[in-house]
Amino acid sequence: ETGVTQTPRHLVMGMTNKKSLKCEQHLGHNAMYWYKQSAKKPLELMFVYSLEERVENNSVPSRFSPECPNSSHLFLHLHTLQPEDSALYLCASSQAGQGRTGELFFGEGSRLTVL
Amino acid sequence: AQSVAQPEDQVNVAEGNPLTVKCTYSVSGNPYLFWYVQYPNRGLQFLLKYITGDNLVKGSYGFEAEFNKSQTSFHLKKPSALVSDSALYFCAVRDVTGGYNKLIFGAGTRLAVHP
Repeated sequence: ETGVTQTPRHLVMGMTNKKSLKCEQHLGHNAMYWYKQSAKKPLELMFVYSLEERVENNSVPSRFSPECPNSSHLFLHLHTLQPEDSALYLCASSQAGQGRTGELFFGEGSRLTVL
Repeated sequence: AQSVAQPEDQVNVAEGNPLTVKCTYSVSGNPYLFWYVQYPNRGLQFLLKYITGDNLVKGSYGFEAEFNKSQTSFHLKKPSALVSDSALYFCAVRDVTGGYNKLIFGAGTRLAVHP
């Protein structure tokens, strides 16, 4: 059993489609993250949820819409994407709070291709 | 702002030889530093962390890292490389700006271990 599960692992969508990426963590953590990993670019932090509240939205276009219904689940809703949005989307979780060291635990990623 | 730099895009090592993957950091305050590994089409896996204490920290798969405050470095090392160590390695620093935890990653270093 992996601690952080992402579905689907692969997604191909057209520019006019609407789809969602799902992430579930089984570690009892209270913070969740979306990162974007594009070829030949550093990892980009997109969104952070801490205690189910969005605390960071890192200048991400509105065609990406996150949702965190509870501390174990995180979604990334996608609509009218562009080909340059093709990337590996990584979900992570951590236990935030006083005395915590802050390491993140990642899922396997969702490989998105926008045609 | 907290940041890390990985000066090498790629490191090539012969199997059985020692390996070093370099990382330097720039932080305000005491650094919390991390190393992660990513195998093809997989998420990031946590290797080790430095929080405080002994400057040499040991992690998974025989890896270790040396924290050097005067040189602001946190290099990843292994005494004897394996072909299976070939992967993408990321250095990261913790950032708690805004009162919540996140990791800032370097650009990554591709390690190629040749038989």
